[in-house]
Amino acid sequence: DIVMTQSPSSLAVSAGETVTINCKSSQSLLYSGNQKNYLAWYQQKPGQSPKLLIYWASTRQSGVPDRFIGSGSGTDFTLTISSVQAEDLAIYYCQQYYDTPYTFGAGTKLELK
Amino acid sequence: QIQLVQSGPELKKPGESVKISCKASGYTFTDYAMNWVKQAPGNGLKWMGWINTQTGKPTYADDFKQRFVFSLETSASTAYLQINNLNIEDTATYFCTREDDWFAYWGQGTLVTVSS
Repeated sequence: DIVMTQSPSSLAVSAGETVTINCKSSQSLLYSGNQKNYLAWYQQKPGQSPKLLIYWASTRQSGVPDRFIGSGSGTDFTLTISSVQAEDLAIYYCQQYYDTPYTFGAGTKLELK
Repeated sequence: QIQLVQSGPELKKPGESVKISCKASGYTFTDYAMNWVKQAPGNGLKWMGWINTQTGKPTYADDFKQRFVFSLETSASTAYLQINNLNIEDTATYFCTREDDWFAYWGQGTLVTVSS
């Protein structure tokens, strides 16, 4: 199974700050056939379903604000949220869809400082 | 618009069974696989497996091979998750989610509480 390791597990931020969440996979998520990284990012707020933010490691889902930026390739990925807003306080998960079983990171909780 | 609407919360006793539904609308049901994801209280997301909505063939993650059953009612654009012989560790919210490679569409979740 591909293990997804997220860091940090929690992050205390002030509104307006830029934050970075890291995600490392135990094997490469880059498929040589199409040069795409099979990595997605989700946001989950309390009592809600996860919401897709990013797929193919860096493609923003329709309607997601451009302050959410996904980057990285191979085994190392980053979600950057620039100018954090109060509505961004949530838990963020990375997920690989390169191979089954699909696996998620343990999550990064974004909290107010 | 695309929606996945799940059945309501369930309270069950250990040893009982539960069947959760996930009704899809806004797209052709058989064009996309349906996946199931478990989230225990205060925990992260765990992929349970998926069902091929064209053939009905289910595939289960290792931890969900024994008591879990995915099924379909294609005419009603509905997927089901049945959990047999419930135990306390099955207490969780269960989500259905449409697979587009990634998971763009999710049900609202169904909370299953197992308590004696």
